[in-house]
Amino acid sequence: KAGVTQTPRYLIKTRGQQVTLSCSPISGHRSVSWYQQTPGQGLQFLFEYFSETQRNKGNFPGRFSGRQFSNSRSEMNVSTLELGDSALYLCASSLLPSGGEETQYFGPGTRLLVL
Amino acid sequence: AQSVTQPDIHITVSEGASLELRCNYSYGATPYLFWYVQSPGQGLQLLLKYFSGDTLVQGIKGFEAEFKRSQSSFNLRKPSVHWSDAAEYFCAVGSGSARQLTFGSGTQLTVLP
Repeated sequence: KAGVTQTPRYLIKTRGQQVTLSCSPISGHRSVSWYQQTPGQGLQFLFEYFSETQRNKGNFPGRFSGRQFSNSRSEMNVSTLELGDSALYLCASSLLPSGGEETQYFGPGTRLLVL
Repeated sequence: AQSVTQPDIHITVSEGASLELRCNYSYGATPYLFWYVQSPGQGLQLLLKYFSGDTLVQGIKGFEAEFKRSQSSFNLRKPSVHWSDAAEYFCAVGSGSARQLTFGSGTQLTVLP
């Protein structure tokens, strides 16, 4: 079974632009979560989607948004990019969002560089 | 709010030596605990997880971890380290729903030949 895939793997943007990142979960997984990883702040939770609905959101500004499609694929969007948005963005999928023993499986990430 | 502390930023061991990476958590209820490993430029790979039951958990690549409630710890161990184990290791705790993870700051492992 294929793992979590993320596209693109690398991206360079300039300040003020916007960017869209894509994540395809493991087949059959319906929950997708996004994390930002930076050297200074480490790994931080962005948001989680299940059944096309955002269920949880981390402490990030409104410039960060996401959505999930009916096939469980997810996209995240960052508008008005800032230098501090340079990071590795990781997507994780899990089978269900039930409050219990669900393990998240991570993709390889998209490395975003903002110039 | 839950939190995770990995007190060792960087650890260096010789190949064949034993390894223990420390993880302490803060969470009111019984936590869901995970160890992930990240190689340079890669995503996170799950090594092992603890949800309930036996407090000694076996994972992939010969790793194990022990949950100690009294010490709020979930330390990762390996009896004999291989050069391929060099990577960054992250401990994480799940909230009431295990999907939202809080990660520690990571421990970078260097393995000497």
